[in-house]
Amino acid sequence: QVPLVQSGAEVKKPGSSVEVSCKPSGGTFRSFAFSWVRQAPGQGFEWMGGTIPSSATTDVAQRLQDRFTITTDESTRTVYMHLSSLRSEDTAVYYCLGGVGTPDYWGQGTLITVSS
Amino acid sequence: DIQMTQSPSSLSASLGDRVTITCRASQTIKKYVNWYQQKPGKVPKLLIYTASNLESGVPSRFSGSGSGTDFTLTISGLQPEDFATYYCQQTYSTPRVTFGGGTKVEI
Repeated sequence: QVPLVQSGAEVKKPGSSVEVSCKPSGGTFRSFAFSWVRQAPGQGFEWMGGTIPSSATTDVAQRLQDRFTITTDESTRTVYMHLSSLRSEDTAVYYCLGGVGTPDYWGQGTLITVSS
Repeated sequence: DIQMTQSPSSLSASLGDRVTITCRASQTIKKYVNWYQQKPGKVPKLLIYTASNLESGVPSRFSGSGSGTDFTLTISGLQPEDFATYYCQQTYSTPRVTFGGGTKVEI
């Protein structure tokens, strides 16, 4: 198990942006693969994007490409997701997944509520 | 994207039952499948990794099998704490991971 610690819940206005951070508490950061998924209330999991720091690979779901970005800061061993132009349908729990080689382990989740 | 088709979407079972959940991938994914258990309001818990490997601390009544495109999660002897929703996940196309639609196990 590799605990992944995410930033806290946020309430956002429609049209604004949100950033969520994710930090593994152990392991070699560059050996990790990270993915971001979200789960709307009562729904399954939607993959949003992911990154592999060692190969500088970043991949984003086509339907989110115009408003979703992933960045990494190796100095602080932190990966970030940024989602812009928020709408009510973005209300969900956002999860960071990570692991050595494959993203097997989950952060605690971050509830993002979009409401006017 | 690799699609993961999970079945059934829900099932009713009794304590002590043997339960089988299946996932079919839209293309071969070797053995790159994980199985998770999720309870309401909780983070998914890893049960099985790489198709058949039991995660540390997970009871041995859980087992996984399969390779290529067809995978199975089996619970042998259902316990009260096993009533939950179960998901398969493919990691073959990491970081582009995808999930089955989930199986809700109910009494």
